[in-house]
Formats: sequence, C-alpha cells, structure tokens
Amino acid sequence: DIVMTQSPSSLAVSAGETVTINCKSSQSLLSSGNQKNYLAWYQQKPGQSPKLLIYLASTRESGVPDRFIGSGSGTDFTLTISSVQAEDLADYYCQQHYSYPRTFGGGTKLELK
Amino acid sequence: EVQLVETGGSLVQPGKSLKLTCATSGFTFSNAWMHWVRQSPEKQLEWVAQIKAKSNNYATYYAESVKGRFTISRDDSKSSVYLQMNSLKEEDTAIYYCTSTGKYWYFDFWGPGTMVTVSS
Repeated sequence: DIVMTQSPSSLAVSAGETVTINCKSSQSLLSSGNQKNYLAWYQQKPGQSPKLLIYLASTRESGVPDRFIGSGSGTDFTLTISSVQAEDLADYYCQQHYSYPRTFGGGTKLELK
Repeated sequence: EVQLVETGGSLVQPGKSLKLTCATSGFTFSNAWMHWVRQSPEKQLEWVAQIKAKSNNYATYYAESVKGRFTISRDDSKSSVYLQMNSLKEEDTAIYYCTSTGKYWYFDFWGPGTMVTVSS
C-alpha cells in the first residue's frame, strides 16, 4: 500500500497569511503513461463531508478559489493557501488516486491563531 | 445538482450485521464507479470498497481490513449503492461516506455520511 504522510498535523494562522501543507507518498504517483501525478487534496469543515479541492496534483476543481494552489511531482506535494480567510479554517487531507487501495494522509488542521 | 445520501447507520453489537444504502441523483449513475469511504473517530479517512459500472462487469474491490466481511453492490434502476457489513468489529466504528469517482479516479462527490457505532 502507498503510505501518505502529511505535515504539519496542525497549523495556527492569522487571516491574510500564506500557508503551506506538505504531503509525501511512499511511492511515486507519477504515471509514466501520461506524465500526470495522481494526487488529490480535500477540505473538510466541521460537521461536513470532505470536499474535493484539487486533483492530478495541481488541477483545481470547478468553483475552488484560485488562492488554493497544488504543486509537486513524484513523491512530494504541497498545498498552498494564499491569503487565508476565516472560511478556510478546516481539516485538509491529501489522497493518492494512483493505485489500490486508495490511501489518505493523516490530515492537517488549520486553526486560527 | 449531484446528490448522494447515505442511510442505515446505527448502534450495533460486535458480530452483528448492518446494511448501508446510498441513494443518488443528478448524474448518470449507471456509468459511475462508486465507493464507500469511512472516517474513524480519530478522523482518519480510509477507503473501504469500490464497485465499477456494468460496462466493467460490476467489478468490486475491497480494503484488506473489510475483505470477506463487507459486500458492495448497486442497483442501477434505483441509482443506489449498498454496503452489506457482516461480522462487525469495534474498529469498524466510523462515519461511512458514499462517493463517486471522476475521470482520473479522485473522489469528486461525497454524501453527508452515516454513523456506524459497533459497541456492546
């Protein structure tokens, strides 16, 4: 199984700051066939189900604000949230959609400083 | 508007069975690959099971932790997917989400979830 490791586990921020969440996979998520990285990011607010933010490492889902930026390749990935807003306070998870079983990172809790 | 709604969660004793249902609308269910994903009380997300479409012979896949105990199925006429859970263990306690997958197999739509508690 591909192990997904996220860091940090929690992050305290002030509104307007830029934050970075890291995700590392135990195997490469880069497909040799199409040169795409099969890594997704989800946002989960309290009492809600996860919501897809980014897939294929850097493609924003429709309707997701452009302050959410996904980057990285191979085994190392990053979710950057520029100018954090109060509505962004949530848990964030990375997930590999490269192979079975699909696996998730442990999550990063974004809190208000 | 895409909607997925899970039902059937409850408090159940270890060793017992439970069946979850996910009713969907707003997309072509018959073409969709559907999954169950669960979230433990510690908030860890775990993929549980997948069922592909009729064109893929309804192929199914399971996490090792549930293989042989859980069965995923679907009824395209009702746009619904099911999870039959047998021999339940305390570690199966979680919120169970129904999800669909997009073109590149990420989880694009999620239901609100249904809570399953396994406890004596």
